[in-house]
Amino acid sequence: NAGVMQNPRHLVRRRGQEARLRCSPMKGHSHVYWYRQLPEEGLKFMVYLQKENIIDESGMPKERFSAEFPKEGPSILRIQQVVRGDSAAYFCASSPPRGSDTEAFFGQGTRLTVV
Amino acid sequence: AQSVTQPDIHITVSEGASLELRCNYSYGATPYLFWYVQSPGQGLQLLLKYFSGDTLVQGIKGFEAEFKRSQSSFNLRKPSVHWSDAAEYFCAASPNRDDKIIFGKGTRLHILP
Repeated sequence: NAGVMQNPRHLVRRRGQEARLRCSPMKGHSHVYWYRQLPEEGLKFMVYLQKENIIDESGMPKERFSAEFPKEGPSILRIQQVVRGDSAAYFCASSPPRGSDTEAFFGQGTRLTVV
Repeated sequence: AQSVTQPDIHITVSEGASLELRCNYSYGATPYLFWYVQSPGQGLQLLLKYFSGDTLVQGIKGFEAEFKRSQSSFNLRKPSVHWSDAAEYFCAASPNRDDKIIFGKGTRLHILP
């Protein structure tokens, strides 16, 4: 059973371009969480999704950021018109349906560099 | 507001010495508690978790943590550190198993030879 897969591992974008980060949850997991880690800081919650639903987006910036978790395929975190301040590591975690006796598992992250 | 506090940004210990990393939480009810480790440029690895039951929790790599409700603490300990334990350690909490996890700012552990 593969773990949470994130790709790409490293992404370089010029200011103004779009960044698309992908997260494939573990098999059987229906919940996905996205976190952002700025240099020398902890992880900040961004958004929590189930298949085709956004459950909690209280940590998402109001503009340029969006996330989806379609019925088929990976979850996507999309950043439009990137700026230097978007440079960070973005981590995805997945967990099984509610009531399961296990915690969320994290991917290796995508390191976004905006130049 | 819900929060997790790690008061020590950096900790330096000698190889073979004991270790304790502090963590305090602020939640309305006892949350689920976690400790993660992150090596440079890597993802997060779960060391241990507390959901309920025995307040002394054993984890991987020889780590343990003790939940103390009266102090709202969940400190991580290891009796004898190894050079490979040098990393960043994050304490985290969640109101339940499948809600968002809130992280502390992390403690960077340095090991002296």
